Order: sequence, then C-alpha cells, then structure tokens
Amino acid sequence: SQTIHQWPATLVQPVGSPLSLECTVEGTSNPNLYWYRQAAGRGLQLLFYSVGIGQISSEVPQNLSASRPQDRQFILSSKKLLLSDSGFYLCAWGYGGATNEQYFGPGTRLTVT
Amino acid sequence: AQSVTQPDIHITVSEGASLELRCNYSYGATPYLFWYVQSPGQGLQLLLKYFSGDTLVQGIKGFEAEFKRSQSSFNLRKPSVHWSDAAEYFCAVGRNKLVFGAGTILRVKS
Repeated sequence: SQTIHQWPATLVQPVGSPLSLECTVEGTSNPNLYWYRQAAGRGLQLLFYSVGIGQISSEVPQNLSASRPQDRQFILSSKKLLLSDSGFYLCAWGYGGATNEQYFGPGTRLTVT
Repeated sequence: AQSVTQPDIHITVSEGASLELRCNYSYGATPYLFWYVQSPGQGLQLLLKYFSGDTLVQGIKGFEAEFKRSQSSFNLRKPSVHWSDAAEYFCAVGRNKLVFGAGTILRVKS
C-alpha cells in the first residue's frame, strides 16, 4: 500500500530564515506530487505540482519554491520566510492519468515569528 | 474558470440525525468531483469520488454523494451522524489539478 510522509510535523521559524519541508511517498512509482497551503479558516491553495523528476509547475508566484530531486521526494523551500508564509502545508500524491484523486500527508504546521 | 462553493461555513447536527453538506461547482467539462474530510491538525482523507456513471456514489464511513449536473451540485449525505464525524469537509473539482471549496465545519451535538 502507499504511504506519504511529511516532516517536520511542526516548525517555528523567525522571519527571514530559510525553510525546507520534505515529503516522500512510498509504494508507488512516478506519482504526481502536490504542495498545498491551508490558512486558518480557508480552503486549500495549490502552490506547486510535479508530474516527474525536475518538472515543477508553480501555481502562485510567491516567496516559495519547490524541487523534486527524486521520483518520490518533493521539497518545499524558501530562502527568506515572511510572516505571511505561516500556515498548514500539505503534500499530496496522485496517480495522474485519466483520474486524479489525491492522497494527502499529515501536514506541517509552520509558524513564522 | 473552475470554482467550488460550499455555502455553509458551519453546520451543527444532533447525533443520529441526517446530514447534508452542500457543494456547487463551476467547471467547463465533465467534472471529476471529490469529498474530503479533515480532522483538526490532520491531513485530508478522501471520502468519495465521482468520475462518471451512476450519479449516486458511495464512500467510506457511511457517506454518499449525488451528482446533479443540472444543478452543478455534488452534495454529501449521511443518514445518521456519529459524534466521530465532527470534522471539516471539503468538496473539490478537477482533473490533474484540484480546486477546493472553503470547507464546511461539522459539529455534532449529543
């Protein structure tokens, strides 16, 4: 069966510090991978998605970037965090192709102080 | 453009009562529709999905949803709510990329 991991679970970082969140998927090959941000009281905002190694599509221009160095690894980064980067970050994977239900990881709670 | 509207921000129902959560979508083609549930501080769990065929789809935890093309709706239902159903529910539409509604918070009173 497939599993998806995210770490860390929680993170408190000062403004201006760098960020690296990691997501890995087990039990499947060549998944589509997604990063979402969920702000309090709001829905999910798609930040990045990837259909293969090194292929990243950005949905929202902002202070963040994403990379996919391996087939089942997806990393969300920032060089300098802003207060507005605080939120709940969710990674998801999907089979892609004709159907695309997505399966979510447990999330990372990021607080920028 | 794709969009999803969940008109109810909060809903409170008594344990054992029936539940219906509303979802309206805007999508240019035949939609792929999903319902997810999120417990506080957790990731999202897929409840059910509609791609084609029978417009009444069954999901996990006793949930079902009905696709009504004429109304652009995909409402989630459950005949008898349990206290453990208290959570936030998200409707989503899309294919390679999903668009999510803002969510409905379900409270269950005993």
